[in-house]
Parts: sequence; C-alpha cells; structure tokens
Amino acid sequence: ETGVTQTPRHLVMGMTNKKSLKCEQHLGHNAMYWYKQSAKKPLELMFVYSLEERVENNSVPSRFSPECPNSSHLFLHLHTLQPEDSALYLCASSQGTGTSYEQYFGPGTRLTVT
Amino acid sequence: RKEVEQDPGPFNVPEGATVAFNCTYSNSASQSFFWYRQDCRKEPKLLMSVYSSGNEDGRFTAQLNRASQYISLLIRDSKLSDSATYLCVVNTFNNAGNMLTFGGGTRLMVKP
Repeated sequence: ETGVTQTPRHLVMGMTNKKSLKCEQHLGHNAMYWYKQSAKKPLELMFVYSLEERVENNSVPSRFSPECPNSSHLFLHLHTLQPEDSALYLCASSQGTGTSYEQYFGPGTRLTVT
Repeated sequence: RKEVEQDPGPFNVPEGATVAFNCTYSNSASQSFFWYRQDCRKEPKLLMSVYSSGNEDGRFTAQLNRASQYISLLIRDSKLSDSATYLCVVNTFNNAGNMLTFGGGTRLMVKP
C-alpha cells in the first residue's frame, strides 16, 4: 500500500451539487498534489501544496477549489461541475518538492458528473 | 508538440518476449526521469527512476539520452503480470517546485 488514501472512491454528482474529495497521507511527506486523469489523456497536474502553502495552480477552473489544512490532509471542493469534469482524480504526496523526490499516489476518486 | 510523447500501443507480445518502449520529451531543462506503471483502473506506481548512465532492475532496463531527449524502457522475459500501461514521466524543477509531466502511456499486453 502506498500510504495515501482517498475518499470517496467513487462519486456521482449532478451539475448543481457541491461535494468534496478528501486525501490523507500517512508518510510524513511535506508536499501534496491533485491530478486529473481523463479517458485517453495524460495525467494533468492541477494543484501543488508544499508545507500547506499552494505553490501551483495549473490554470484550473474556479469550480475546483483546493484546501490543505495541514501537511497530511488535502481536499478538493467541487461545485457546479460540468460533464467534461468526469475523470479520475488522483492525489499524490512526496517528501519534498525537489526533482529527486518520488511521488506516491492514492487510489483515486472516480468522479462522474451527470 | 506534446511535452512528453509516447506510442500509445497496445504492444501485444507473447510471454518470454523482450519489448522496448520509447519516450521523447520537449523540455531540455528537465532534470529527472521516471517510468511509472499503471494497472487498469488503479493509481500509477513508480517502476524505476532513469539515470543518465542507464540502470537496471531485474528484468527492466532504463536508458536516458539527454542529447536526443529520449528515454527508453526494456522489459526482458515478459510475464503475464507485466500487462499494464507504462507511463514516461519527466520532472522539471521551476519556482513552483517539483513538476511532474506525464506521457499518455504505452499499453502492454502480454499473452500466454
């Protein structure tokens, strides 16, 4: 097991709903990430947090709102999503943000927007 | 041009075969390189890092050619359990920190 957990594993939501994805890492890492994986597309980096501070927002629409209350927890708040937002949302963590640090991924939340 | 480009495959090979995957990257400032493996409907997991001198881990050999901006993965004596998608990953350090860019993956199917 990677030590990174995500809940829920599956989520179906309507376009007017508000929901949150949760990620928790048990590895003592200082950096956490949200990625989006759509069908037949490469993983896309959405947000990077280092020591609870957001260091990267990769041109993500404002209907996605991240929150990092501490170095072990990361949330992705969702509101007024579109059907094209249906994807696998992966959380990852790493010991630091240097290039040699391996990223460990959680199992992902498979999101379907109806 | 895609930042990290891979042949999507699928590569269909018999058990015991040797198979090679290639990957090219566009950012010459990229600093570290990895191969990740992703099983169907699962998260990516690190398979191996790729070093300039080339490195081997059991049946897996990775090579890096910085001049050509090219990375390869060789799998010898393929097993059924090697069936997965192999992701080429390039790491570039900028003022935001550690930025991984993923290729679209190459799908491998090992047949009995």
